[in-house]
Amino acid sequence: TQLLEQSPQFLSIQEGENLTVYCNSSSVFSSLQWYRQEPGEGPVLLVTVVTGGEVKKLKRLTFQFGDARKDSSLHITAAQPGDTGLYLCAGARTSGSRLTFGEGTQLTVNP
Amino acid sequence: SQTIHQWPATLVQPVGSPLSLECTVEGTSNPNLYWYRQAAGRGLQLLFYSVGIGQISSEVPQNLSASRPQDRQFILSSKKLLLSDSGFYLCACRGPPLDIQYFGAGTRLSVL
Repeated sequence: TQLLEQSPQFLSIQEGENLTVYCNSSSVFSSLQWYRQEPGEGPVLLVTVVTGGEVKKLKRLTFQFGDARKDSSLHITAAQPGDTGLYLCAGARTSGSRLTFGEGTQLTVNP
Repeated sequence: SQTIHQWPATLVQPVGSPLSLECTVEGTSNPNLYWYRQAAGRGLQLLFYSVGIGQISSEVPQNLSASRPQDRQFILSSKKLLLSDSGFYLCACRGPPLDIQYFGAGTRLSVL
């Protein structure tokens, strides 16, 4: 059973378009993180959200944690080719517990 | 912040040969360490984690083993590799902050 469901699995868009990636669960999480991974490298942390309803912005990226702390979304405005990569959400059921990772969303932004 | 070193970056091994992947951590002491395996373009499967020297927990039954001989050293091993052991192996260290993880650059293992 996959605790964290990411959608879509693949996304190919043109430069300048907007997109949203979703991370959903039936379980409550103490915190959720979003990572981006480029081919041949390890995932790099983008953001951590810990409070239900929390919204964080990182330049053109907006992250939201659901009110019930069961889901999160990542919205990218005016996507650029440099945004291409595998986006992974990960959650901790309780603070300090092991992370559960989603299956990832492979984003390709075409110039 | 922590820095995770993994080597080698790529490895091609024949079926039945032994394996040793090493991970070392800088910038922290007594870290929680993790080994993950990742299929191409997919999520991470936790293989082993360690909360201290000599302390190893295995998440899934498999052909691999792990050891932690020193505080900041974590080793992934196999006595005889299988084709199904091919994949991208990542070593990670827990934050601070507590719930995030820092990853090494990974090792691409191809078993032929």
